[in-house]
Amino acid sequence: GDSVTQMEGPVTLSEEAFLTINCTYTATGYPSLFWYVQYPGEGLQLLLKATKADDKGSNKGFEATYRKETTSFHLEKGSVQVSDSAVYFCALSPDSNYQLIWGAGTKLIIKP
Amino acid sequence: NAGVMQNPRHLVRRRGQEARLRCSPMKGHSHVYWYRQLPEEGLKFMVYLQKENIIDESGMPKERFSAEFPKEGPSILRIQQVVRGDSAAYFCASSPGTGTEYGYTFGSGTRLTVV
Repeated sequence: GDSVTQMEGPVTLSEEAFLTINCTYTATGYPSLFWYVQYPGEGLQLLLKATKADDKGSNKGFEATYRKETTSFHLEKGSVQVSDSAVYFCALSPDSNYQLIWGAGTKLIIKP
Repeated sequence: NAGVMQNPRHLVRRRGQEARLRCSPMKGHSHVYWYRQLPEEGLKFMVYLQKENIIDESGMPKERFSAEFPKEGPSILRIQQVVRGDSAAYFCASSPGTGTEYGYTFGSGTRLTVV
């Protein structure tokens, strides 16, 4: 069945470092891909999404490109801040479906 | 708009007791989804409801678990005779329509601990 695999955490970086969180997926058809973020004590928030191959989602300095050839949707940010510390989830939605299939989450810790 | 409200935030139950988790969707949202997150795992779909109807309960265990979304009031996820394996975070999301293109708004979750 469909699945999402993302890199294990925690990922610890210094402020202003470059961030990559890897996400790969297995799916039939043409899924939509998402990154969600969960700040401490809060609910999950949609960070960005892409609905077709080669689409780039972006928000708050974060970017991810839907790569069908490598079945990947890696999250990147050029310069992280302490306020980016959170848990990041990669997810996919199969063709024309309302369900989300989730990765296990990656905890990101940014040190001043 | 208060967003999706889940309560309680934390719930402790002894084995064999019942757990009731509540979810009030965003104003104007009539679609509710429940997900469960076991420790060190991603979220897993449990059930999708619209007002007074269960649309898809394929992810919900057949026994002890039930969900409802009445015409008035919040959606309720009910777990009877809880066991230690039910300990998890339960998230609710709401949307104005069917399909991920409408976007989901998630609550902060209820963390259930069974002792």
